[in-house]
Amino acid sequence: QKEVEQNSGPLSVPEGAIASLNCTYSDRVSQSFFWYRQYSGKSPELIMSIYSNGDKEDGRFTAQLNKASQYVSLLIRDSQPSDSATYLCAVNEIKAAGNKLTFGGGTRVLVKP
Amino acid sequence: SAVISQKPSRDICQRGTSLTIQCQVDSQVTMMFWYRQQPGQSLTLIATANQGSEATYESGFVIDKFPISRPNLTFSTLTVSNMSPEDSSIYLCSVVRLEAFFGQGTRLTVV
Repeated sequence: QKEVEQNSGPLSVPEGAIASLNCTYSDRVSQSFFWYRQYSGKSPELIMSIYSNGDKEDGRFTAQLNKASQYVSLLIRDSQPSDSATYLCAVNEIKAAGNKLTFGGGTRVLVKP
Repeated sequence: SAVISQKPSRDICQRGTSLTIQCQVDSQVTMMFWYRQQPGQSLTLIATANQGSEATYESGFVIDKFPISRPNLTFSTLTVSNMSPEDSSIYLCSVVRLEAFFGQGTRLTVV
């Protein structure tokens, strides 16, 4: 089982709709969870971080964390064509050698005008 | 946040040669991370570069192939040695404050 799993997509949504992305993780002691957006040929950029159970909203983005079920999700409201990108879920794992981020495989999102 | 300058941004190299990628961070950090992103894939951690000690490599990556230097708390290099076409990827350096920040990436093509 992969440590961080995402549906690879593509997730196709019409402009103005809600895009819903899911991520599950295997390490129960994980403390920090992140969503990155990566445009083709570019580096990942952080769009959301979440550390406690519940919802966290930032503009059109909402992250949801459920540690008991070991999943974290990202909602993109009022999706725009500029939201078309790959979204990477990352989990901070505490290892003996120190903290490191483990990334999921990414979900490709296509927003159609 | 963190500002990370990575270079070169891209290169085309002959098989059998080596390429050294540099990363400069705008402030001191204990650990720097090197990732590889193969076409259409997610990020795979190659190694963690620690100042004052040898890098820690992930399973499947070895020092002879990917030697790393970390001469001070703001700088690191990754060398891709004896390259083959399978090494064609994007290589990214990263630092973690609370979140991870990335350099611009190096797009390597081996011919």
